[in-house]
Amino acid sequence: QKEVEQNSGPLSVPEGAIASLNCTYSDRVSQSFFWYRQYSGKSPELIMSIYSNGDKEDGRFTAQLNKASQYVSLLIRDSQPSDSATYLCAAFSGGYNKLIFGAGTRLAVHP
Amino acid sequence: NAGVTQTPKFQVLKTGQSMTLQCAQDMNHNSMYWYRQDPGMGLRLIYYSASEGTTDKGEVPNGYNVSRLNKREFSLRLESAAPSQTSVYFCASSEAWDQPQHFGDGTRLSIL
Repeated sequence: QKEVEQNSGPLSVPEGAIASLNCTYSDRVSQSFFWYRQYSGKSPELIMSIYSNGDKEDGRFTAQLNKASQYVSLLIRDSQPSDSATYLCAAFSGGYNKLIFGAGTRLAVHP
Repeated sequence: NAGVTQTPKFQVLKTGQSMTLQCAQDMNHNSMYWYRQDPGMGLRLIYYSASEGTTDKGEVPNGYNVSRLNKREFSLRLESAAPSQTSVYFCASSEAWDQPQHFGDGTRLSIL
């Protein structure tokens, strides 16, 4: 199993719907997780960090961490076409000195 | 506030040529990183510098060298470019090794 895994997508949702992006991880990563958004041709942009079990909300974004099941999710409420991008999940390696990225999930929000 | 600045933004090289990618951050961050991003491969760490004066290999260091010139600047050098090094290169920085990383705009490098 890779350290951080994501479904490549594309995940297609209608405007106004909730987009749910998932990431699973192995025992070889730490318990600090990050979600980055990357528009086509642009650099990754940090949108959420989560360090403890449960939910963390920031505006339309909610990150969920479930340590027992080893997954972390990003929910985007009221999805907009401007949310169309690739979302990267990342976690520190077990050695705590390297950030490991998943391959990313492409989200397409259609009007 | 510029954040992380990379130069150049685009570059085309011939096989065997050398070049240095420059990166500078103005956030007073201690840690800096170089990644490459290829289609279907995600972001892969080439080298990193946890603090000024230290550098370490990442996942794909072969064919590259780095220099942490000072706290602000971290350069990546390709000594003898190969077509397999065609990629988008991102520099990133963080306050400390265990903090979120912030990325520059990237350098799109093509090697013919």
